[in-house]
Amino acid sequence: RKEVEQDPGPFNVPEGATVAFNCTYSNSASQSFFWYRQDCRKEPKLLMSVYSSGNEDGRFTAQLNRASQYISLLIRDSKLSDSATYLCVVNREGGKAAGNKLTFGGGTRVLVKP
Amino acid sequence: DTAVSQTPKYLVTQMGNDKSIKCEQNLGHDTMYWYKQDSKKFLKIMFSYNNKELIINETVPNRFSPKSPDKAHLNLHINSLELGDSAVYFCASSAGGSSPLHFGNGTRLTVT
Repeated sequence: RKEVEQDPGPFNVPEGATVAFNCTYSNSASQSFFWYRQDCRKEPKLLMSVYSSGNEDGRFTAQLNRASQYISLLIRDSKLSDSATYLCVVNREGGKAAGNKLTFGGGTRVLVKP
Repeated sequence: DTAVSQTPKYLVTQMGNDKSIKCEQNLGHDTMYWYKQDSKKFLKIMFSYNNKELIINETVPNRFSPKSPDKAHLNLHINSLELGDSAVYFCASSAGGSSPLHFGNGTRLTVT
């Protein structure tokens, strides 16, 4: 089983609709979680951190479910510019000796169409 | 005022050659990384340095040798390039702890 797994998609989303997708992680010692966005042929960019209580940033809502070991991302009122690959990132902090190991999921591709 | 910059952006070379990729960050971060993104788009960590000290080496062939002359720079030298080394290599930095990564814009390496 991969450490971090995502549905690769693509999720085809009509403009203005809501889309949500999950990411599961296998290591219960994981301590911090992020969603990154990667556009085609570009570098990943931080979209948002994921907090235990869930958090919202504009049209984006992230949730963490530690019991079931998954995080989710919901995008409301989808825009054409939301088309991208969304990468789930899980951090297992090992301290200075072992280092922080950020593990990326394979990404979920979202295509927003007019 | 680019935060994490890496050069070159594109690198095309033949099998067996040796090449280097340079990375610099001006964010004052202590930790720097090299990631490899293959054709299937999986991002895999290769190395992590904390204040010039190697912290993580994820079973990367020893043809890959990172070098960190100071905490703002982390270069990657690759000897005897192979076809399978073709990928996009991303440099990144973070403030450590639970801080997120800031990526460079990638080096697309093509080995022919």
